[in-house]
Amino acid sequence: SQKIEQNSEALNIQEGKTATLTCNYTNYSPAYLQWYRQDPGRGPVFLLLIRENEKEKRKERLKVTFDTTLKQSLFHITASQPADSATYLCALDKGGGSNYKLTFGKGTLLTVNP
Amino acid sequence: SAVISQKPSRDICQRGTSLTIQCQVDSQVTMMFWYRQQPGQSLTLIATANQGSEATYESGFVIDKFPISRPNLTFSTLTVSNMSPEDSSIYLCSYRREESYGYTFGSGTRLTVV
Repeated sequence: SQKIEQNSEALNIQEGKTATLTCNYTNYSPAYLQWYRQDPGRGPVFLLLIRENEKEKRKERLKVTFDTTLKQSLFHITASQPADSATYLCALDKGGGSNYKLTFGKGTLLTVNP
Repeated sequence: SAVISQKPSRDICQRGTSLTIQCQVDSQVTMMFWYRQQPGQSLTLIATANQGSEATYESGFVIDKFPISRPNLTFSTLTVSNMSPEDSSIYLCSYRREESYGYTFGSGTRLTVV
């Protein structure tokens, strides 16, 4: 069966450091891999999307890598700030007509300490 | 991207009753989705709702328990029927953005069944 694993339930880092979150998947061939941020009591907020034929994507302090051979994505937040503290969710989308739908990992709770 | 409004934001309901959750998008969208997020868990897709056709339900979810309406391209409802305490969860609606392929989520409905 399809499985998405975010290998840390929680990650604590010091302000200014780079946070690296990992997402691994099995039995899945996603067209898109996406990362979301979720704050308590709120819905997920879309951050970045990377396609199956892309290796890396950047947006401001965020960087995502995608290795379809390893079936893994890494999500980096550089120069982290306490305001980056939240749960980060990895999600896969097969794409294409009726296949458009997201399957989520459980998330990693990131805490950035001042 | 279009703004999505979801209501109610929370409710406490008696077992055996039903609750209808509404989602309104401020522009037309093709595909809308309904998710459930149980305590400490990630988001699980309940169904996909397209205008003019019956909703497509994921394994483990049935129309009698979670009837969905999609009367037009800006609105959808999810009803949680004959509720039991096991239905206590956060329910979220979302739509897929055509321009970026990311998904926008409502802020969620926190349901408690007593």
